[in-house]
Amino acid sequence: EPEVTQTPSHQVTQMGQEVILRCVPISNHLYFYWYRQILGQKVEFLVSFYNNEISEKSEIFDDQFSVERPDGSNFTLKIRSTKLEDSAMYFCASSYGTGGSSGGYTFGSGTRLTVV
Amino acid sequence: EDQVTQSPEALRLQEGESSSLNCSYTVSGLRGLFWYRQDPGKGPEFLFTLYSAGEEKEKERLKATLTKKESFLHITAPKPEDSATYLCAVQTLTGGGNKLTFGTGTQLKVEL
Repeated sequence: EPEVTQTPSHQVTQMGQEVILRCVPISNHLYFYWYRQILGQKVEFLVSFYNNEISEKSEIFDDQFSVERPDGSNFTLKIRSTKLEDSAMYFCASSYGTGGSSGGYTFGSGTRLTVV
Repeated sequence: EDQVTQSPEALRLQEGESSSLNCSYTVSGLRGLFWYRQDPGKGPEFLFTLYSAGEEKEKERLKATLTKKESFLHITAPKPEDSATYLCAVQTLTGGGNKLTFGTGTQLKVEL
């Protein structure tokens, strides 16, 4: 079964450092997303990406965050200057269409980001 | 603002003891309601999408239903392997990015 692959599974970084989280979405999917989950809290939407541009972003997704699809297979989330409160599990997701009719949104297993 | 509330927060069942999880929502216009299963340290795993009141979907021991205000996930004769956190999420007609708004989940534990 096709899956969304995220690397690394765990990253520890110092406050103020830049991090790049990487994702390989399902190959024929057209819509790409980043969500995050702070320990013990709900899964929160960060950004959606379609046709090489951001289609929607949340209030969390400020100027410190950026996304990129550098080639035909990768989708990345960059945090320019990490803060302690950025510590969370970050999930990449992809979908073929805009709703759930095509099997929903497929999530990766996540990258646990720890900012120290 | 879209809101999704799940109850109970945690549920402990004996194997074979059927029960229901609730997801109530307040949105400006519902496009779809999603159920996901999440195992510890893993990403959400898609279960169902419901689109309109009265719709039902089933998969093995799980059955999801939808009304205009809430959705239920019925678990019939659960097994220990059904233990997980069950997440409800809504997608609304507003916004251009198809985002999902999640509830906090129900943590289900099924014991022998």
